[in-house]
Amino acid sequence: GAVVSQHPSWVICKSGTSVKIECRSLDFQATTMFWYRQFPKQSLMLMATSNEGSKATYEQGVEKDKFLINHASLTLSTLTVTSAHPEDSSFYICSARDSGNDGYTFGSGTRLTVV
Amino acid sequence: QKEVEQDPGPLSVPEGAIVSLNCTYSNSAFQYFMWYRQYSRKGPELLMYTYSSGNKEDGRFTAQVDKSSKYISLFIRDSQPSDSATYLCAMSIGLGNQFYFGTGTSLTVIP
Repeated sequence: GAVVSQHPSWVICKSGTSVKIECRSLDFQATTMFWYRQFPKQSLMLMATSNEGSKATYEQGVEKDKFLINHASLTLSTLTVTSAHPEDSSFYICSARDSGNDGYTFGSGTRLTVV
Repeated sequence: QKEVEQDPGPLSVPEGAIVSLNCTYSNSAFQYFMWYRQYSRKGPELLMYTYSSGNKEDGRFTAQVDKSSKYISLFIRDSQPSDSATYLCAMSIGLGNQFYFGTGTSLTVIP
């Protein structure tokens, strides 16, 4: 089945630095990928929709200058958390849909801790 | 009002029990309904996918959608300790549209 690879699985960074998270569709092409954020014991909240070759669409309340999304190819989308702060600590998950399959496939998630 | 409501639990059942997980929703335009299983510190994995109303069975798992009541269910038969996880419901108007997730129900199956 469709596989989405997400790296890194966890990262600890200092406040003020930037962190890049990669999301790759391994055996299919994804024109659209989605980035979610999940706080402990809470649901996944959609942050932005990443479209290959065009600007991402951000959900209300998500700072596009802080969460930079690049979808340069049909198999890779990246999320860069710029000038990270402790309140950005969360579980970030990407997902994509292989048009040949039902449903969306999720990456394994990235646990970001900002200290 | 949230788009999707799901009891967070936690829910504990003995091994072999039948588990019933439920979600309600407010948007009658939702057509695609999914159940995901999420283990701790992992991304969600798709369990079941249903379009519109009806039932769908896959092994020990059965998904039901009642659009008239805006209510969906996931049943797990002969539950196993390996089923212990958080179960998230998700729904959407269309596959190309945003998916709305429930908060997830934490399930523990006790050996």
